[in-house]
Amino acid sequence: RKEVEQDPGPFNVPEGATVAFNCTYSNSASQSFFWYRQDCRKEPKLLMSVYSSGNEDGRFTAQLNRASQYISLLIRDSKLSDSATYLCVVNDGVGTASKLTFGTGTRLQVTL
Amino acid sequence: DVKVTQSSRYLVKRTGEKVFLECVQDMDHENMFWYRQDPGLGLRLIYFSYDVKMKEKGDIPEGYSVSREKKERFSLILESASTNQTSMYLCASTPGQGIVGANVLTFGAGSRLTVL
Repeated sequence: RKEVEQDPGPFNVPEGATVAFNCTYSNSASQSFFWYRQDCRKEPKLLMSVYSSGNEDGRFTAQLNRASQYISLLIRDSKLSDSATYLCVVNDGVGTASKLTFGTGTRLQVTL
Repeated sequence: DVKVTQSSRYLVKRTGEKVFLECVQDMDHENMFWYRQDPGLGLRLIYFSYDVKMKEKGDIPEGYSVSREKKERFSLILESASTNQTSMYLCASTPGQGIVGANVLTFGAGSRLTVL
C-alpha cells in the first residue's frame, strides 16, 4: 500500500459544480496535512493546511478524518481557473519537513 | 514574498556528463530540499539540508550529491548523468522550527533535465 494515495483522476466537471477529492494515508502517527495545487508545467504551491477541526478558505474546505486516515478537499462553485492537479501531502515528523510525503496528485479539469 | 530561484529551467545533457543544478532562496530559510517529479510517481525527496554544510539523504539519493556552502544556496550534483535521471527537479525551502508555516514548502519553478 502506498504511504499516501490519491485517485489520479482526471475529474472532469462543469463550471459551478461541487467536487471532492479524498486522500488516504497509511501512517496513523502522521502529524500534519496539506493540500498543494500544481498547474501544468508549474511548481506546486500551498493551497491550504488541513486542521483537525476542518477548515475553510472561501470555496475550499479541507477535512481530516484521523480514525479512517484520510483527508478531503471540497471545492464548491468550481471555476475554470480551478483546473489543476491537487497534491495531498502528509508530514510524519514533528518539525521536520524531511518526512513530508506527497501523493501523486488528482487532476481536475473544469469545463464550460 | 519568499522566492526560490532555480538557475536553469531546461537542460539537455549527455550520458556521463556532470550536471549542476543551482537553487537560491532569498528569505533566510533554514531548510532546503531537492525533489524530483516523475509522472505517476509524484514528488520524491532526493536530499535535504537543515543548515550550512549539512546534508541528509532523502528517499532516492543514489546517483546524486548536494552542496550547501551558504545558507541561501543549495546545489544538486549529478556526478555522471544517466538517462533514468531525466526528470523535473524541484528545489524547495521551509522557514524551520518555531516559525509559523515551519513545514510549508515554497518551491522554485523547476529544472527540466533531459539526459540523452
